Amino acid sequence: AQTVTQSQPEMSVQEAETVTLSCTYDTSESDYYLFWYKQPPSRQMILVIRQEAYKQQNATENRFSVNFQKAAKSFSLKISDSQLGDAAMYFCACRDSNYQLIWGAGTKLIIKP
Amino acid sequence: DVKVTQSSRYLVKRTGEKVFLECVQDMDHENMFWYRQDPGLGLRLIYFSYDVKMKEKGDIPEGYSVSREKKERFSLILESASTNQTSMYLCASTYLTGGGEKLFFGSGTQLSVL
Repeated sequence: AQTVTQSQPEMSVQEAETVTLSCTYDTSESDYYLFWYKQPPSRQMILVIRQEAYKQQNATENRFSVNFQKAAKSFSLKISDSQLGDAAMYFCACRDSNYQLIWGAGTKLIIKP
Repeated sequence: DVKVTQSSRYLVKRTGEKVFLECVQDMDHENMFWYRQDPGLGLRLIYFSYDVKMKEKGDIPEGYSVSREKKERFSLILESASTNQTSMYLCASTYLTGGGEKLFFGSGTQLSVL
């Protein structure tokens, strides 16, 4: 069965600094998708970034980028120039062969002003 | 803006009550999902639906049922609520294409069963 592990229950970063959230996954699929979702205090989950496993180039979305290491099954999220609005729960997820998402436990990100 | 609307933000029910959680999307999505979110466990799939009147069990369907009579509406039913069903419930929807599509979520219903 697929699993997704986020080993950091909570992270904190100074405003304007860079932070990296870790995610590892386990899958037997050769092609799959990986996602990072953000859940702010409003509770509405929104997509931050996604990566197709067959693409070697790391995905980027403005201040958000990933470090995708396929052999190591690692998919970390880097947030540059952290802003107060980045404070949220961040969830890593992997889409399996049944097209269902397998979710990590989440990392709470705290931004210190 | 696309929208997924969950009928209640907070709900308090008593043990043994029948509970209905409603979710409506305005994006004409074929696929709708109900997740349960608990601290330290992430999101777990309860049920999903690929089309009207169709439903599939997720990872934790016990104690739940669903109804999808119209494309835009997906209801989660707790037949006899129990205290271990106290949780955050999230509804989501999406088109199904090649696997990379994103989910659109509602704002969640925090259910407390006393």
